[in-house]
Amino acid sequence: QKEVEQNSGPLSVPEGAIASLNCTYSDRGSQSFFWYRQYSGKSPELIMFIYSNGDKEDGRFTAQLNKASQYVSLLIRDSQPSDSATYLCAVSTGNQFYFGTGTSLTVIP
Amino acid sequence: NAGVTQTPKFRILKIGQSMTLQCAQDMNHNYMYWYRQDPGMGLKLIYYSVGAGITDKGEVPNGYNVSRSTTEDFPLRLELAAPSQTSVYFCASSYTTRGYGYTFGSGTRLTVV
Repeated sequence: QKEVEQNSGPLSVPEGAIASLNCTYSDRGSQSFFWYRQYSGKSPELIMFIYSNGDKEDGRFTAQLNKASQYVSLLIRDSQPSDSATYLCAVSTGNQFYFGTGTSLTVIP
Repeated sequence: NAGVTQTPKFRILKIGQSMTLQCAQDMNHNYMYWYRQDPGMGLKLIYYSVGAGITDKGEVPNGYNVSRSTTEDFPLRLELAAPSQTSVYFCASSYTTRGYGYTFGSGTRLTVV
């Protein structure tokens, strides 16, 4: 069983703060790592992907990958109320993607 | 581009009925997937396909069947619906599994009563 673990939250941060979302995975053979945002009642949408150790930045979002520790994180800088959603971590291994259960984030105005 | 199109958006089935959830993509993606998402839970893979004529089981395939006769279409068949199949179903496609994520359809909310 390939597992992807996330804290379910809820995580609450004030507007303008940094939100930090974490994810661990069990399969060392995992190749690519993804963060999706899912608003209530909507389908997931891809925010970022990363496949090399280190940081990858895209606007207010930074993904961090540490393959030795089997750990991937997402930082959201200058959090906005529109960032309130569930964030899903996904890991690809072979032909499949494995999803965590998601972390619920609330940004308080 | 329409992306990934799922139909219907909502459906209520009676126990024992059957139905097909439709999924079509116009991005020429080889990889297509069916997931179910239960409240407060993550996405569970039902079936997937790496190309026309090739399908394989995911984590929770029991009670479902799929076919992939064309690159564009990947229908999911529910036989003898049960209350445990009440869920939101998402179809997704991807160009590859490395460095690209999924494009998801808008989902089908299915209730079995």
